[in-house]
Amino acid sequence: GQQVQQSPTSLVLQEGENAELQCNFSTSLNSMQWFYQRPGGSLISVFYNPSGTKQSGRLTSTTVIKERRSSLHISSSQITDSGTYLCAMERVNNNAPRFGAGTKLSVKP
Amino acid sequence: AQTIHQWPVAEIKAVGSPLSLGCTIKGKSSPNLYWYWQATGGTLQQLFYSITVGQVESVVQLNLSASRPKDDQFILSTEKLLLSHSGFYLCAWSPDYEQYFGPGTRLTVL
Repeated sequence: GQQVQQSPTSLVLQEGENAELQCNFSTSLNSMQWFYQRPGGSLISVFYNPSGTKQSGRLTSTTVIKERRSSLHISSSQITDSGTYLCAMERVNNNAPRFGAGTKLSVKP
Repeated sequence: AQTIHQWPVAEIKAVGSPLSLGCTIKGKSSPNLYWYWQATGGTLQQLFYSITVGQVESVVQLNLSASRPKDDQFILSTEKLLLSHSGFYLCAWSPDYEQYFGPGTRLTVL
């Protein structure tokens, strides 16, 4: 079954609104990472966050290992935040990170 | 600083033709290297990973093969392309668990 579930699948916001993206895992994880995928396909690492809370500017990531979930919070969204956000988990004793299907974010003016 | 390059940027190939995609990482010795594939609109899947020169582990069988001829080079290839090979191919490196991706190669098989 699907080991990494992302929600929502898509999200449309007005500029300035906040976004909350979720990632849930069905197995124990060793680490997890959030990526932003550009329309052309390339991936940029947003957060490497195996546990706890990390913040960078308007972005905050919180990973709770025991509950097998991670979230990405975007505050005061901007049009340039539009794109697809992917989460990936690396399982214990496994070298093949699993990716979620992504959340497609559209921020409108 | 480490840099990762992929070539070519894009390819259009015929079904049944051979393929070779390359990936080079500079500025890091003995990195873990990975190949990923993403079908249009699909989920990113890891295809292969390599911990060291000459060693490659297959994760997903897609009638592709990979090799690591040098410490900083990872090659993805096949002798006969299928329509289903179309998509976006990404190479990544990792010092431990955190992954860093290359710019990708878009492959269209006709």
